[in-house]
Amino acid sequence: GAGVSQSPRYKVAKRGQDVALRCDPISGHVSLFWYQQALGQGPEFLTYFQNEAQLDKSGLPSDRFFAERPEGSVSTLKIQRTQQEDSAVYLCASSRRGGLEQETQYFGPGTRLLVL
Amino acid sequence: AQSVTQPDIHITVSEGASLELRCNYSYGATPYLFWYVQSPGQGLQLLLKYFSGDTLVQGIKGFEAEFKRSQSSFNLRKPSVHWSDAAEYFCAVRASGTYKYIFGTGTRLKVLA
Repeated sequence: GAGVSQSPRYKVAKRGQDVALRCDPISGHVSLFWYQQALGQGPEFLTYFQNEAQLDKSGLPSDRFFAERPEGSVSTLKIQRTQQEDSAVYLCASSRRGGLEQETQYFGPGTRLLVL
Repeated sequence: AQSVTQPDIHITVSEGASLELRCNYSYGATPYLFWYVQSPGQGLQLLLKYFSGDTLVQGIKGFEAEFKRSQSSFNLRKPSVHWSDAAEYFCAVRASGTYKYIFGTGTRLKVLA
């Protein structure tokens, strides 16, 4: 595809429900990032993948959050037992190369999660 | 720890006026610096970035930013604002040797006709 896509675009979950958010990066992009953007805030880093390897997960707020990228392309962010404080927009970004190269990140439109 | 501060939450300018959005960072060494724009319903788009070299960087849509090490600042400027520039602007920093990007809280720009 032409850009990063994310699905679903909107998700309403009841408190305690598990959710899975999908990110399709730009084809061939090695690096993939997940961010959480609360209302009125800037994006906050959650985790980073280089191909299928999760090299940094320091931003995941709790062990209820889990991300994977098993084949080095599509990634899924899973949130177990959702809480109201998980309500936010979840952004995915990809970049062409891996490692610590200083490259442009291309962001998807985000998934807006509302936990009731 | 690294941090980014955008002191202005909201800025309103008239169309055709000049614009400066402030960004201050906290980091011991020279960081990698970025400005992004987020329009409603759109993903974040990179306006410009600074890694090294010339401290005045040019970006897309007529934006520029100047890195000032002595002030730990990376302010975004545009000489003449267009109505389509109304959006939210985020400054971000990435410390060398890390994968983690840190974003400021954003400045929402309103443009008056």
